[in-house]
Amino acid sequence: GENVEQHPSTLSVQEGDSAVIKCTYSDSASNYFPWYKQELGKGPQLIIDIRSNVGEKKDQRIAVTLNKTAKHFSLHITETQPEDSAVYFCASGDGNKLVFGAGTILRVKS
Amino acid sequence: DAGVIQSPRHEVTEMGQEVTLRCKPISGHDYLFWYRQTMMRGLELLIYFNNNVPIDDSGMPEDRFSAKMPNASFSTLKIQPSEPRDSAVYFCASSSGTGRLFFGEGSRLTVL
Repeated sequence: GENVEQHPSTLSVQEGDSAVIKCTYSDSASNYFPWYKQELGKGPQLIIDIRSNVGEKKDQRIAVTLNKTAKHFSLHITETQPEDSAVYFCASGDGNKLVFGAGTILRVKS
Repeated sequence: DAGVIQSPRHEVTEMGQEVTLRCKPISGHDYLFWYRQTMMRGLELLIYFNNNVPIDDSGMPEDRFSAKMPNASFSTLKIQPSEPRDSAVYFCASSSGTGRLFFGEGSRLTVL
């Protein structure tokens, strides 16, 4: 089955700096790669997603890149703000059955 | 629109007791998912439904776990009998088939 590895497990950045989180997946049949943000005591919330026919997608300060050949995708957050502090999860799958990474705790220091 | 609604938000029970978690998906969504989140295993898919029919239950840990979806607006996840290792946060999520999941706030289960 699909296996998703996520790095780093924790990331501390200064407010205004960029943050990058990386994931690798194992199943070459996977074609959908979302990113979720989870705040304390809440459910994960979709922040951006990308499908296998696209190499990059951007939404304001957030961007995701996908390299299907290498089977890895990354989340880029620019101009980080304290409210970006949360746990971020990548996921991979066929659109219905998603496998999640272990998560990255992002701390933005002001 | 209301999001995915789960109840109860917190449940504390004794080992051996029956636990029932409830979920109301977003109206119009025809996919419903049950996930379990623990520190050790992260977010695991337990089961998902399409049009009220279970499609994949390969993530259900064992026979003590069962899930039903009697209609498009309601689903339950039942654990009987419960064990301490079932302690976790259980999330329900729904989708319109695009793959984009909308999660509820979760039900935190503690089995003593």
